[in-house]
Amino acid sequence: GDSVTQMEGPVTLSEEAFLTINCTYTATGYPSLFWYVQYPGEGLQLLLKATKADDKGSNKGFEATYRKETTSFHLEKGSVQVSDSAVYFCALSGWGKLQFGAGTQVVVTP
Amino acid sequence: NAGVTQTPKFRILKIGQSMTLQCTQDMNHNYMYWYRQDPGMGLKLIYYSVGAGITDKGEVPNGYNVSRSTTEDFPLRLELAAPSQTSVYFCASSSPGTSHGSNQPQHFGDGTRLSIL
Repeated sequence: GDSVTQMEGPVTLSEEAFLTINCTYTATGYPSLFWYVQYPGEGLQLLLKATKADDKGSNKGFEATYRKETTSFHLEKGSVQVSDSAVYFCALSGWGKLQFGAGTQVVVTP
Repeated sequence: NAGVTQTPKFRILKIGQSMTLQCTQDMNHNYMYWYRQDPGMGLKLIYYSVGAGITDKGEVPNGYNVSRSTTEDFPLRLELAAPSQTSVYFCASSSPGTSHGSNQPQHFGDGTRLSIL
């Protein structure tokens, strides 16, 4: 079945550092791919998405490119802020249902 | 602009008690979902619905029931609470979009934190 694997956390960074969170997937067909972010005590919010191969999703300085050849959708941000501290979830969607990765906690220190 | 609203936010139950977690959305979304989130485990789909009167099991449906009598509401019922059901529960909704909804994002509520003792 479909599955998503993302790097384990926590990932601890200093402010203005470069962030990468790896995400790979296994799926039949052509799923859409998403990154969601969860701030403490809140629900998940959509961060960005890509619906087909080579699409690049971007939002709030974050980017991820749908790489079909490597079945990956890595999340990147060039300069993180303390306010980016959260848990990030990679997900794929097929037939209206989402399959989530386990989540990666990111901690950004001043 | 409420989005997806879940009640209650917190609840403590005794083993064997029952309760209903409420979820309502005001975006006229056809698709609705219930997830549970356990620490370090991501989200697991419990039940989902593609429209009023239609529900189906997700990955972890045992011990839960749902109904969908209206487009707006999708309550989750626990009949005999067990310690294994201690978790944070999230409701979500989405529009169908194309390709059976595969490219539409889901909108989440803020969750219900449930403890069973």
